[in-house]
Amino acid sequence: NAGVTQTPKFRVLKTGQSMTLLCAQDMNHEYMYWYRQDPGMGLRLIHYSVGEGTTAKGEVPDGYNVSRLKKQNFLLGLESAAPSQTSVYFCASSYVSDGQPQHFGDGTRLSIL
Amino acid sequence: GESVGLHLPTLSVQEGDNSIINCAYSNSASDYFIWYKQESGKGPQFIIDIRSNMDKRQGQRVTVLLNKTVKHLSLQIAATQPGDSAVYFCAEFSNDYKLSFGAGTTVTVRA
Repeated sequence: NAGVTQTPKFRVLKTGQSMTLLCAQDMNHEYMYWYRQDPGMGLRLIHYSVGEGTTAKGEVPDGYNVSRLKKQNFLLGLESAAPSQTSVYFCASSYVSDGQPQHFGDGTRLSIL
Repeated sequence: GESVGLHLPTLSVQEGDNSIINCAYSNSASDYFIWYKQESGKGPQFIIDIRSNMDKRQGQRVTVLLNKTVKHLSLQIAATQPGDSAVYFCAEFSNDYKLSFGAGTTVTVRA
């Protein structure tokens, strides 16, 4: 039982490059989330999904896109990476939106040069 | 805007003592709160949660207290152990699918 799995764990990109971060959960959760965590700060919500085929913007969505083609997967894309997107990215999932905790992956550490 | 915050960024505690981590929130409409523990290189791990219709909830060695009058949340860890060293976050559920996280308190356990 893996829970929430994120790939890759680390990546270094050059400014302007694109990449996709993958999140997979095996708990049959409806809700999935992408956060970023910067030093000395809590997690900030980028995008989220309330079910397969649906996505919505969170607190800091600019520069990112997401897709939820399958219930178990939630992809985060950076079309043209910028140094301000250097961060640790966490994916989370939950069975319902309220009253149940979100379960997190171990993060993807992304550096943009 | 409304936010969740922690009173102190760091806490140093002697092994075996009890730890108290505090959190203030400002959204009076919030009805669900979570404490997470984050170890170095890992994602946040669920510790305990509490609904706004409760004042106290206990888990294994942990207790969460909620004071809605002053909008204050605390996490108490009994008999703190070296493995409790981590960053602790409180999170508040708002009514738009979003958890709002505080900046975290780094707990260091002294041997």
